[in-house]
Amino acid sequence: QVQLQQSGAELAKPGSSVKISCKASGYTFTSYYISWIKQTTGQGLEYIGYINTGSGGTNYNEKFKGKATLTVDKSSSTAFMQLSSLTPDDSAVYYCARRVHWFAYWGQGTLVTVSS
Amino acid sequence: DIQMTQSPASLSASLGETVTIECRASEDIYSNLAWYQQKPGNSPQLLIYDANSLADGVPSRFSGSGSGTQYSLKINSLQSEDVASYFCQQYNNYPYTFGAGTKLELK
Repeated sequence: QVQLQQSGAELAKPGSSVKISCKASGYTFTSYYISWIKQTTGQGLEYIGYINTGSGGTNYNEKFKGKATLTVDKSSSTAFMQLSSLTPDDSAVYYCARRVHWFAYWGQGTLVTVSS
Repeated sequence: DIQMTQSPASLSASLGETVTIECRASEDIYSNLAWYQQKPGNSPQLLIYDANSLADGVPSRFSGSGSGTQYSLKINSLQSEDVASYFCQQYNNYPYTFGAGTKLELK
């Protein structure tokens, strides 16, 4: 069965970076793009962007350019998202999801808390 | 960006009742719309795609309709397990955008 397993919760200091992983299983990894989505109580669900798992090509929501960097390791069927120059506004649950255009499969979410 | 306006923000209904949630797009999205259900502490789950196609494993009491800028999700014969938040998502234009959500509770 399709599974997306994300890395665990992160507690980070303002100005630092974190890198979240999303390991896929149960399907051919390079057949589907992986998207990343941010969820907060205040802003709801926000689309960050996607990575072409075959070519490594990326597309970002303008709002997250410079904040998020998406990469992929095909050998381990894992997608990564690095968040840089963290501020308290980056505190959220971050999801990876397998993209067609809708999202049929989601990771369990990674809670990122930014606090000094 | 396309704005997705979802209503109502919260809804209280009785078991067995029929419930409808609306989503309005700021421009025509040509039925490129999905609906998700999210229970507390869980990831969103796909219910409907292409405005009216039922995702695999989703009970037939869920249905979607609409076109242009106006879309709706209907839940027939509300069950206790349907208590959740519901979100719409457009994928006609980048960046994909979501509605703010509807929290469904039992009366």
